[in-house]
Amino acid sequence: AQSVTQPDIHITVSEGASLELRCNYSYGATPYLFWYVQSPGQGLQLLLKYFSGDTLVQGIKGFEAEFKRSQSSFNLRKPSVHWSDAAEYFCAVGAASNNNDMRFGAGTRLTVKP
Amino acid sequence: GAGVSQSPRYKVAKRGQDVALRCDPISGHVSLFWYQQALGQGPEFLTYFQNEAQLDKSGLPSDRFFAERPEGSVSTLKIQRTQQEDSAVYLCASSPWAGRNYEQYFGPGTRLTVT
Repeated sequence: AQSVTQPDIHITVSEGASLELRCNYSYGATPYLFWYVQSPGQGLQLLLKYFSGDTLVQGIKGFEAEFKRSQSSFNLRKPSVHWSDAAEYFCAVGAASNNNDMRFGAGTRLTVKP
Repeated sequence: GAGVSQSPRYKVAKRGQDVALRCDPISGHVSLFWYQQALGQGPEFLTYFQNEAQLDKSGLPSDRFFAERPEGSVSTLKIQRTQQEDSAVYLCASSPWAGRNYEQYFGPGTRLTVT
């Protein structure tokens, strides 16, 4: 079965600093990969997704992520964090060959220092 | 346009009571999902509908949990004889695509507290 791991439970960065949130997955075939953001009291909002093609994908709010098959990773990055980026971030993996599965990581909570 | 809506947003139930949680998906979305999210955790899958058919209910934790989507739009998640371990946020999501492996559009959730 596929799984997704977000090694960092909580990350704190200063406003204006760069950000990288880690996501590792375990799956034998081609994965579909997603990053979602959840603000307090809100549902999850899709930031970006990877299905195939260019391994560097751009998303909303200035986020990007890079799929590295050799490392089974799909890390989320942002060059300059804004205070409004403080939220919970979830990585999710679906199966390209099985439309009946989707797993979410446990999430990384981002705190932004002024 | 309108997103996924859920009601109520907050529900407090005494242990043993029955509760019903409602989800209004985005109009025209064929797929509808229910998730349970414990504090500090990611969403855990409960059940999946494609139109009115419940194709997967493998994540429902017990037979006290029941979901329906009779006309292929609005869905209700019912929990009978609530227990304290049922306290969580229940998220509903919908998708214009069939299957669980594509992007999903989430509602704000219903926070259930069982006392």
